[in-house]
Amino acid sequence: EAGVVQSPRYKIIEKKQPVAFWCNPISGHNTLYWYLQNLGQGPELLIRYENEEAVDDSQLPKDRFSAERLKGVDSTLKIQPAELGDSAVYLCASSPAGAVPAGELFFGEGSRLTVL
Amino acid sequence: RKEVEQDPGPFNVPEGATVAFNCTYSNSASQSFFWYRQDCRKEPKLLMSVYSSGNEDGRFTAQLNRASQYISLLIRDSKLSDSATYLCVVTHPGGQNFVFGPGTRLSVLP
Repeated sequence: EAGVVQSPRYKIIEKKQPVAFWCNPISGHNTLYWYLQNLGQGPELLIRYENEEAVDDSQLPKDRFSAERLKGVDSTLKIQPAELGDSAVYLCASSPAGAVPAGELFFGEGSRLTVL
Repeated sequence: RKEVEQDPGPFNVPEGATVAFNCTYSNSASQSFFWYRQDCRKEPKLLMSVYSSGNEDGRFTAQLNRASQYISLLIRDSKLSDSATYLCVVTHPGGQNFVFGPGTRLSVLP
């Protein structure tokens, strides 16, 4: 079974440029998460989707970040314009509804963003 | 104050040592508890769930104290391959919002 797929793996951009990350979750997983992870820190939730509905986007900086999950499968996270402080790893994770055992978040390898 | 806090680390221990990690959480309504492992420049992966009665998986033992809002992970007979960052994770009521601690890095030395 294919895991969570993210692209690109690495992205280097100049500040004020836009950037987009793509995530394809495990087939059949209804819940999709975007996390941000800074060096030496744990992942921090940006947004959670249940199917195509964003059920928790309270931590998403909506002035520059946006996300979508069309048709409840793939998802895209966009930053426009990027700032120096956005340099981090953006992790996508998925889990089936009613996951058993609870807590098995399946992560992609992440997209590492460097803003110059 | 972060919702989930962990020992700052890093922990540098010799092979064969026993090491314990501590974690505290501030939301008394937290529902489920886990330890995830993250290798350098890799994604986090579930190590084990933590149950109120305590649970063991081989060399790993996890404990939960709901009254003290405290979680622990004990690793016995450390191996070089145990070197990683260990992330304490709790969920909010409803079980779908996962909150990660900052992690504790472990280096097992030969």
